[in-house]
Amino acid sequence: SQQGEEDPQALSIQEGENATMNCSYKTSINNLQWYRQNSGRGLVHLILIRSNEREKHSGRLRVTLDTSKKSSSLLITASRAADTASYFCAPPLQAGTALIFGKGTTLSVSS
Amino acid sequence: ETGVTQSPTHLIKTRGQQVTLRCSSQSGHNTVSWYQQALGQGPQFIFQYYREEENGRGNFPPRFSGLQFPNYSSELNVNALELDDSALYLCASSLDQGIYGYTFGSGTRLTVV
Repeated sequence: SQQGEEDPQALSIQEGENATMNCSYKTSINNLQWYRQNSGRGLVHLILIRSNEREKHSGRLRVTLDTSKKSSSLLITASRAADTASYFCAPPLQAGTALIFGKGTTLSVSS
Repeated sequence: ETGVTQSPTHLIKTRGQQVTLRCSSQSGHNTVSWYQQALGQGPQFIFQYYREEENGRGNFPPRFSGLQFPNYSSELNVNALELDDSALYLCASSLDQGIYGYTFGSGTRLTVV
């Protein structure tokens, strides 16, 4: 079973709108990471939020973490066509081990 | 600082053959992880090396093996290739098992025919 599950699986919006993606996970974590992948390429690390943090910002990105609900969300504000990509949340299976990915959310931003 | 470099970028092999994929980790990183990504799926964890020792393995058969060298670069070897091994293979490096996140390479696209 996968550690991180993203929702929705696909999201289509217009440029300038906000995009919200959600992630649920199963076990206790010490951090959770979000990654972006443009079609057929490597993943790009977006943000890491630790278990003692509730919210973190990076440019147009805002990530929240609710450890009691085992969930996280990624908000992209004022979306651009260049934000079109797949987005993955990745909680480590255990502390110090590699990441476990779900199927991701495919975001399409049209101009 | 350099990023993660993978070679080759594309590869075509015949079923039953063996393949070696290579990864140069980012400068200063001592951890390397390998992932397999089939079309339309998320990356699946194969294994991770930390300071030349394997310290985690996903649900892959023993014909998937690897090495990490003293300079922290790494190899992924796959024996007895099967058609289902066709995928994008991603390498990711990090400092101390990902405490600040991972840097991914652009991947090797393997096609088994």
